[in-house]
Amino acid sequence: GAGVSQSPRYKVAKRGQDVALRCDPISGHVSLFWYQQALGQGPEFLTYFQNEAQLDKSGLPSDRFFAERPEGSVSTLKIQRTQQEDSAVYLCASSVERGNTEAFFGQGTRLTVV
Amino acid sequence: AQRVTQPEKLLSVFKGAPVELKCNYSYSGSPELFWYVQYSRQRLQLLLRHISRESIKGFTADLNKGETSFHLKKPFAQEEDSAMYYCALLDNYGQNFVFGPGTRLSVLP
Repeated sequence: GAGVSQSPRYKVAKRGQDVALRCDPISGHVSLFWYQQALGQGPEFLTYFQNEAQLDKSGLPSDRFFAERPEGSVSTLKIQRTQQEDSAVYLCASSVERGNTEAFFGQGTRLTVV
Repeated sequence: AQRVTQPEKLLSVFKGAPVELKCNYSYSGSPELFWYVQYSRQRLQLLLRHISRESIKGFTADLNKGETSFHLKKPFAQEEDSAMYYCALLDNYGQNFVFGPGTRLSVLP
């Protein structure tokens, strides 16, 4: 379909391993968000892109987290040297433009660090 | 600081009963408020936003700036309404959705 697509759906990583999570937003959507959702919690903001520009990365929990969107479409969230506390569902969302418009969410990537 | 609270983790009601999911927020500006819903095994999706003033699937929500609340209401709950409900605000820059912790609504037959 034409919705937001995330891959992989599930990822198991050994502690210390690097991981890369991919998000394909809806074509033409300017805004892209990454969220982290721990078990039993609501999504927590990580970072925001407007086209290729990362305008807000205030939610990234540490310098082990890095996100990019080099061509203003596909985005990758990279986590280096994963820790057990990184285990969560990582959600990507996109919207047509900045502001009060609907954000469309992907199914998420469930990351488990063992 | 921006914050959204949903005091109930779980709310159980019988089919046909009224339901109210509470949401309070703290924000220094004029926030845009939303309700998102996640049905079992489905992705998070928008239910309604305060600026639209619309009723979706029988749900309504009124922004009360005096009480800083945006409670979600439905007069007669249906079993298919069972889901996780998240209240969220969008900051003035449109850059950050702040979500509440969510309330699981269970509608019993």
